[in-house]
Amino acid sequence: EDKVVQSPLSLVVHEGDTVTLNCSYEVTNFRSLLWYKQEKKAPTFLFMLTSSGIEKKSGRLSSILDKKELFSILNITATQTGDSAIYLCAVRGGSNYKLTFGKGTLLTVNP
Amino acid sequence: NAGVTQTPKFQVLKTGQSMTLQCAQDMNHNSMYWYRQDPGMGLRLIYYSASEGTTDKGEVPNGYNVSRLNKREFSLRLESAAPSQTSVYFCASSGHRATNEKLFFGSGTQLSVL
Repeated sequence: EDKVVQSPLSLVVHEGDTVTLNCSYEVTNFRSLLWYKQEKKAPTFLFMLTSSGIEKKSGRLSSILDKKELFSILNITATQTGDSAIYLCAVRGGSNYKLTFGKGTLLTVNP
Repeated sequence: NAGVTQTPKFQVLKTGQSMTLQCAQDMNHNSMYWYRQDPGMGLRLIYYSASEGTTDKGEVPNGYNVSRLNKREFSLRLESAAPSQTSVYFCASSGHRATNEKLFFGSGTQLSVL
């Protein structure tokens, strides 16, 4: 059975801190790993990673994939209160290209 | 540019009642999905439709049925609602299941079954 494990499950930081969110996976026929941010409603797409060692970056957010060790990290530097959200990791794989989600990391950024 | 539209946004049912959640996308996507989200559980796939005319079960299909009415629309039906189906439901779509394409999500339906 495909498995995606995120850690920590929740995290409280102060504005300006740097955070690292982790996602490990066990998926057959790996195709891609996706990160989403979920505030009050629908998840919104952040990154998709398919190749090991290539960092994806968007402003203060960045992510990297290690296909050998089967994990990804999402880094957020100089956090702001607007970064408070649930961050979801999902992995596409399997014989039917199913997308399996982790339970998410709830990030709270205090002023 | 609506993207993925879900209705209703909120619904309260009594145990045993039935209802249909509607979803439509205007991005000409082939694949559509229904997920449920419960506290601490992430998103779990209920059913998906890889293309018009096909539907398949996901992780948690029991108690649900789906219809891919056409390429745009994918509905989720609860025939006899149970309290365990209290959840937030998300519809999503993507270009093609077999390619590495991101999912676009609707804004969700909060369902309470009393």
